[in-house]
Amino acid sequence: EVQLVESGGGLVQPGGSLRLSCAASGFTFSDYAMTWVRQAPGKGLEWVSDISGEGGTTHYADSVKGRFTISRENYENKLYLQMNSLRAEDTAGYYCAKFHRYSYYMEVWGKGTTVTVSS
Amino acid sequence: DIQMTQSPSTLSASVGDRVTITCRASQSISSWLAWYQQKPGKAPKLLIYKASSLESGVPSSFSGSGSGTEFTLSISSLQPEDFATYYCQQYNVYPFTFGGGTKVEIK
Repeated sequence: EVQLVESGGGLVQPGGSLRLSCAASGFTFSDYAMTWVRQAPGKGLEWVSDISGEGGTTHYADSVKGRFTISRENYENKLYLQMNSLRAEDTAGYYCAKFHRYSYYMEVWGKGTTVTVSS
Repeated sequence: DIQMTQSPSTLSASVGDRVTITCRASQSISSWLAWYQQKPGKAPKLLIYKASSLESGVPSSFSGSGSGTEFTLSISSLQPEDFATYYCQQYNVYPFTFGGGTKVEIK
């Protein structure tokens, strides 16, 4: 069974940093591009970033470019999101998701981890 | 960026009703559109990909159609477990964008 389990969320002050992790199991992790999607409280979904299976290609939403860094460790089956210079508007639930092997829809999602940026 | 506009934002319906949700893209996205269902406090779940392909395990009461800029998600006979919020998402071009969501409520 494919499983994605996020961790690393919490309360952080504006300007602070946090690193989210996503542990993957049940599939050949390195074969799949992965993505992070967030959802502010009571709001809709926002794509944040994605990374290719081998890790060499990344993309970012303009709202996080230059502040967030996506990475992966394929030997550990883990996906990461390093978040720096956090702002109040980054407060959200963060989901990791697995793309389809040959396309860019999100076929499996984790349960999410919550990030709160507040003083 | 491609804007995805869903309508209505809220839909009140009864069990057994047929419901249709519309998603419009600000420019053509061919058929690169997915639909997701999200229940309160839960992660989104994939329903439809490539505009009209039903994800494995999703009831056949769900169907998708459209191409270019106009798309629909239909539920042929609404069941109690279908009351949720539905999102469309384009994956034709970066940045990937979602519609604002349609909440299907019990009438």
